[in-house]
Amino acid sequence: AQRVTQPEKLLSVFKGAPVELKCNYSYSGSPELFWYVQYSRQRLQLLLRHISRESIKGFTADLNKGETSFHLKKPFAQEEDSAMYYCALASGGSYIPTFGRGTSLIVHP
Amino acid sequence: DTEVTQTPKHLVMGMTNKKSLKCEQHMGHRAMYWYKQKAKKPPELMFVYSYEKLSINESVPSRFSPECPNSSLLNLHLHALQPEDSALYLCASSVGAGRRSEAFFGQGTRLTVV
Repeated sequence: AQRVTQPEKLLSVFKGAPVELKCNYSYSGSPELFWYVQYSRQRLQLLLRHISRESIKGFTADLNKGETSFHLKKPFAQEEDSAMYYCALASGGSYIPTFGRGTSLIVHP
Repeated sequence: DTEVTQTPKHLVMGMTNKKSLKCEQHMGHRAMYWYKQKAKKPPELMFVYSYEKLSINESVPSRFSPECPNSSLLNLHLHALQPEDSALYLCASSVGAGRRSEAFFGQGTRLTVV
């Protein structure tokens, strides 16, 4: 069975501070990992996918197969980064995303 | 057009009512999904349609009845709902279940059952 764990329900930082949102997964095969973001009153949207290996809005995420982690990082948080962040896993065969419980990021001015 | 459009945005219905939620996409995606999201919780998968056929039903009660009339449309028919069914119902689509791609989400229908 596949599972996504986001240990932090809430992460509160000040503007300019580094941010790391943790995500661990369990799956025996080769999963595809995503980070989705849901800003207040907006739709759930894709932020990053691990196979793209790109930086979006200053965020990066590296898949660590040894630690089964896909943590989301940003060196300097901005107030507009405040949102709910969901780590998601899509596995071979169906590629239907399964979501972690989400981490609410609050960036204070 | 790279959007998934859901209507209505808000719906209030009584427990004896029959209503339908609609979802539309014109990206040529062949997989469409219904998720249910309660407040401060992650989306939970309800149904998956792949090439207009129901491929996954996550043990959803029969008072929720999905329908996929064509490759662009997905409906969710509601009948005799309970107050605990109040939630945000999200529609999503992707290139095809079984093919590597991300899911695109609609804004959701916020359903309140009274």
